[in-house]
Amino acid sequence: DAGITQSPRHKVTETGTPVTLRCHQTENHRYMYWYRQDPGHGLRLIHYSYGVKDTDKGEVSDGYSVSRSKTEDFLLTLESATSSQTSVYFCAISESADRGDQPQHFGDGTRLSIL
Amino acid sequence: QKEVEQDPGPLSVPEGAIVSLNCTYSNSAFQYFMWYRQYSRKGPELLMYTYSSGNKEDGRFTAQVDKSSKYISLFIRDSQPSDSATYLCAMVSTSGTYKYIFGTGTRLKVLA
Repeated sequence: DAGITQSPRHKVTETGTPVTLRCHQTENHRYMYWYRQDPGHGLRLIHYSYGVKDTDKGEVSDGYSVSRSKTEDFLLTLESATSSQTSVYFCAISESADRGDQPQHFGDGTRLSIL
Repeated sequence: QKEVEQDPGPLSVPEGAIVSLNCTYSNSAFQYFMWYRQYSRKGPELLMYTYSSGNKEDGRFTAQVDKSSKYISLFIRDSQPSDSATYLCAMVSTSGTYKYIFGTGTRLKVLA
């Protein structure tokens, strides 16, 4: 298994509170990604990083911010959580952004419920 | 129209059956085609990838790409109850900008 650890694995919080999810990798891969997975929508990219302090937006980035201060850690922050952000969040890593022979590998997800 | 279409299922088959899972796509810039398997409450894990057109076999799994029809398939021979999972196709464009698209997944149940 790729060395990817997501924390926490489960979280329940209230609307309006800040939430930070952490992804830690031990593979030294350059690229890291945050996705959300919802029924009927599949995996949707929130933000990704192509190096320390280098990040870019994905297709559903509104309401989310990210930071990457070290190669191994990629943080996803919901500044003020809303019920629409209830989802399962997955972190992924890869050596390359556009090569299928260096594909993305996923963590086991964080289940986030916002009441 | 979505860039990648995948039937959500569920698809139920008896143990030992041959399973065919499919995706269609619209972007001709996709060059790499992957299949991921996702068990309940786990992250997707890569099963196979292929580059451009053709077939690729790995044990009981065969991936097939038909770029002329924009259609990819995953075949599972001698299906087992342990194959019960959601299967996601994924595609990568090599057109220069980031473009990694996932299908919504097909849920498969193999009945013992």
